Amino acid sequence: AQSVTQLGSHVSVSEGALVLLRCNYSSSVPPYLFWYVQYPNQGLQLLLKYTTGATLVKGINGFEAEFKKSETSFHLTKPSAHMSDAAEYFCAVSDRGSGTYKYIFGTGTRLKVLA
Amino acid sequence: DGGITQSPKYLFRKEGQNVTLSCEQNLNHDAMYWYRQDPGQGLRLIYYSQIVNDFQKGDIAEGYSVSREKKESFPLTVTSAQKNPTAFYLCASTNKLGWNEQFFGPGTRLTVL
Repeated sequence: AQSVTQLGSHVSVSEGALVLLRCNYSSSVPPYLFWYVQYPNQGLQLLLKYTTGATLVKGINGFEAEFKKSETSFHLTKPSAHMSDAAEYFCAVSDRGSGTYKYIFGTGTRLKVLA
Repeated sequence: DGGITQSPKYLFRKEGQNVTLSCEQNLNHDAMYWYRQDPGQGLRLIYYSQIVNDFQKGDIAEGYSVSREKKESFPLTVTSAQKNPTAFYLCASTNKLGWNEQFFGPGTRLTVL
């Protein structure tokens, strides 16, 4: 069965510092991977996704992620944190191997940006 | 503008009452999903539907029911059998291709008193 692990339920960074949110997955088939952001009391919004092709994926708001098959990772980064980046971030994988269209989510990482 | 709407935003019910959460999409998506979100537990799948008049149980279907009579609508009923219904509920949809992202509604926060 496919799964997603997000290391660190809470991450704090200073404004202007590098943001690194970790995501590891397990999958029996080539994965389709997603990062979403959620602001308080709102739905999830797609940041970026990896399906095929270039392993470095650029998303909205200056975020990017790199698919590393050998490490089964899809970590999310941003060179310089902004106060508006404070939110909860979810990594997800499309459960294509099961023949359904289900998605498996990590437990989320709450990002705090310090002034 | 295309999107997913959920209503109401906040819902209060007394213990023992059934309640129905609305989810409507105008994206012409085949697949629709209901998730429950609790602090620290991420998103847990309740039910999903890949086509009209068909739906499957997710990981935590007990105490919930759904219907899919129209492509654009996927209402969720939280029944009195759900032991701990207070949570944030999210509806999502996607093209039935597997490589597309899900689009999410704004959520409904249900509080059972």
